[in-house]
Amino acid sequence: AAGVIQSPRHLIKEKRETATLKCYPIPRHDTVYWYQQGPGQDPQFLISFYEKMQSDKGSIPDRFSAQQFSDYHSELNMSSLELGDSALYFCASSRNSGSGPYNEQFFGPGTRLTVL
Amino acid sequence: QKEVEQNSGPLSVPEGAIASLNCTYSDRGSQSFFWYRQYSGKSPELIMFIYSNGDKEDGRFTAQLNKASQYVSLLIRDSQPSDSATYLCASTPGGSYIPTFGRGTSLIVHP
Repeated sequence: AAGVIQSPRHLIKEKRETATLKCYPIPRHDTVYWYQQGPGQDPQFLISFYEKMQSDKGSIPDRFSAQQFSDYHSELNMSSLELGDSALYFCASSRNSGSGPYNEQFFGPGTRLTVL
Repeated sequence: QKEVEQNSGPLSVPEGAIASLNCTYSDRGSQSFFWYRQYSGKSPELIMFIYSNGDKEDGRFTAQLNKASQYVSLLIRDSQPSDSATYLCASTPGGSYIPTFGRGTSLIVHP
């Protein structure tokens, strides 16, 4: 079965540089979520999109922005990178329309961002 | 206090035993509950979800939900070394589609 695709899988950047992470949700999934997970931490919700519109916002820094495109793929743009941004970034997708309260999220493999 | 609380462990069980993982949540309006398995450096993998009181079984896994006690558990029967991982409990607070995760419980299954 098709899964969530993320690219790149690994990314190394210098401080103050920018980075763009991409996510391709499971086909027919209408909601995309972005999470940040530091070492030994639980996933922290950043932002989500439902049918290409921002639906919820979590602890996303102002330096970050995201959008979802017409083909449902999403991009997380990160500017003025800081050392503390080094983490695993996961994208997840779910199908919320008519699915009741379940909201099963399926995670992509993640992008490991290292800021030097 | 986090909305979803888990004992960080590690929980160590011998191969073939039953592993019992527990989770409590603070929002009484929470509707859905999830258990994810996460290997080190990998993404969370959905194992079970439950939204009604009682038990839900899937293979070696059983999720138990008690809304009155605000308690969710995951039982793993016939534990295998390959089950060694961090298990994340998550719930969707009332009125939200966004799951809140616990910090996870580290499970070690030793041969």
